[in-house]
Amino acid sequence: EVQLVESGGGLVKPGASLKLSCVASGFTFSDYWMSWVRQTPGKTMEWIGDIKYDGSYTNYAPSLKNRFTISRDNAKSTLYLQMSNVRSEDTATYYCTTGWFAYWGQGTLVTVSS
Amino acid sequence: DVVMTQTPVSLSVAIGQPASISCKSSQSLVGTSGKTYLNWLLQRPGQSPKRLIYLVSKLDSGIPDRFSGSGSETDFTLKISRVEADDLGVYYCLQGTHFPRTFGGGTKLELK
Repeated sequence: EVQLVESGGGLVKPGASLKLSCVASGFTFSDYWMSWVRQTPGKTMEWIGDIKYDGSYTNYAPSLKNRFTISRDNAKSTLYLQMSNVRSEDTATYYCTTGWFAYWGQGTLVTVSS
Repeated sequence: DVVMTQTPVSLSVAIGQPASISCKSSQSLVGTSGKTYLNWLLQRPGQSPKRLIYLVSKLDSGIPDRFSGSGSETDFTLKISRVEADDLGVYYCLQGTHFPRTFGGGTKLELK
């Protein structure tokens, strides 16, 4: 059974950094592109970016490219999202998903507030 | 960015009745491969999104054939032939042809 388990969310202050993780199981992680998607409190869905199966290439939403970095550790079957200089508008539930959106994690909530 | 416009925003349907959701894109979703990367997702209350349909009309494993997807280029439709209680939630279309990937605003399916 495919499982994606995100962690690392919580309450953070504006301007801080945060790193989210997503541990994958039930499939060969190193064979798949992976993506991060976020959902705002108002339920708007936004694609953040994705990463090639070997970690050699990434794509980002232009509005987030300068502050967010996606990486992966295939030995640990883990996907990461490094968030820097966070803003109140980054408050959202963050999901990891397989590259073609077939499987989704349960999400981790990030709240940015002073 | 490709704008995905879903209608209606909400839909009230009785059990056993059909439902239809439209999704229109601001650009053609036909990719260089000739494939059209249009997905439909369902997010039930309190749950993560779940993909129902990919490549316009292909049903994911375990998805009942009450669901169907159709369309081409910029105009797509999700149909439910007979709504069941388990179908309630918010439906999103999602294009995977162009970067950045973009979602529709969602359609909330409620029981009448």
